[in-house]
Amino acid sequence: ETGVTQSPTHLIKTRGQQVTLRCSSQSGHNTVSWYQQALGQGPQFIFQYYREEENGRGNFPPRFSGLQFPNYSSELNVNALELDDSALYLCASRTKIGTSGGAFNEQFFGPGTRLTVL
Amino acid sequence: RKEVEQDPGPFNVPEGATVAFNCTYSNSASQSFFWYRQDCRKEPKLLMSVYSSGNEDGRFTAQLNRASQYISLLIRDSKLSDSATYLCVVNPIFGNEKLTFGTGTRLTIIP
Repeated sequence: ETGVTQSPTHLIKTRGQQVTLRCSSQSGHNTVSWYQQALGQGPQFIFQYYREEENGRGNFPPRFSGLQFPNYSSELNVNALELDDSALYLCASRTKIGTSGGAFNEQFFGPGTRLTVL
Repeated sequence: RKEVEQDPGPFNVPEGATVAFNCTYSNSASQSFFWYRQDCRKEPKLLMSVYSSGNEDGRFTAQLNRASQYISLLIRDSKLSDSATYLCVVNPIFGNEKLTFGTGTRLTIIP
């Protein structure tokens, strides 16, 4: 187990609704990233949070937003859901690069939330 | 052109065989390279990092060719437990860990 947890595990929404997905980081990790994985595709980077601030964003519209809390847990919010938002949403946590040495700090993924939009 | 391209497969390989996956990336300034493994309906997990000098971990060997922007993974003596999707992953920008994933190559090891 990676120590990263996500809730809920599954969710069904209808088009136009809003959804909030949650992620608890591994202990000691201060950076969290969110990814969207459509069926048959690799994960796509949505955004990253470090110390409660957005620190990088992929090609996703503003209706995808996030929060990181002082305990480093995080939320992904999606407004005005569309059918194409149906996917597995993954969060990944790590320490900020440079804070524990090495050129890369491994990202540890949670089990994901499977969102279905009808 | 996709940032990271890999053959989606599927690869159906008999147990004990050697299988090789290839991947190309478009951003020549990319900094870090990895292979992740993803089991069905599970999260991706880091299999190994990839270095220009090549690196080996048991039955797994990864190679990076920066000049050709090409990454490979070799699995020797394949086991049934190797059945999974293998994701080629590139980190384009040092210090900003936005991982860019390929679509994944599905591998099934046949008894």
